[in-house]
Amino acid sequence: RKEVEQDPGPFNVPEGATVAFNCTYSNSASQSFFWYRQDCRKEPKLLMSVYSSGNEDGRFTAQLNRASQYISLLIRDSKLSDSATYLCVVNMGTHRYSTLTFGKGTMLLVSP
Amino acid sequence: EAQVTQNPRYLITVTGKKLTVTCSQNMNHEYMSWYRQDPGLGLRQIYYSMNVEVTDKGDVPEGYKVSRKEKRNFPLILESPSPNQTSLYFCASSTLGGPGETQYFGPGTRLLVL
Repeated sequence: RKEVEQDPGPFNVPEGATVAFNCTYSNSASQSFFWYRQDCRKEPKLLMSVYSSGNEDGRFTAQLNRASQYISLLIRDSKLSDSATYLCVVNMGTHRYSTLTFGKGTMLLVSP
Repeated sequence: EAQVTQNPRYLITVTGKKLTVTCSQNMNHEYMSWYRQDPGLGLRQIYYSMNVEVTDKGDVPEGYKVSRKEKRNFPLILESPSPNQTSLYFCASSTLGGPGETQYFGPGTRLLVL
């Protein structure tokens, strides 16, 4: 089983749509969780951390379900500028402190 | 400005010709790491370092070397590059404040090995 799995995408949505990304992770000892955004040919940048209680940042909502080992990202009122690849990232909490494991990413294309 | 820099940004080389990709950060971060990103495979960790003179292998270390002689620098060395090392490489850094610490990435180095 792959360590961090994401919807393969791409997701094509019109402006204003709501879109949800899902991610599952294999290691139940995982300690921390993030969503990163990566624009084409650019470096990944942190979008938001994911907390057990769920967290929201403007149009973005992240949720964590530890029992199901599942993470989600919801984007409301999509903008053209949201077009990017979204990476689910997990700190597996192994002996390799602070090692992040990346999902392959889900591409989002927002059209006018 | 807090940043991670990498050089060169683009490099075309030939098989067997040693090369070094430099990485430098100005945030006084203890932790630094190298990743490669390939289509369909996502980001994979090559090596990481938790402090000066402390380095360890990531998931795909074969064919690479690193050194950490100074806190701010973490060069990636390819002693004898091969075509399967053609990839997009990212350096990243973070503090060791805890497992929730995020990593800051450099702009990437696109390498082509002929």
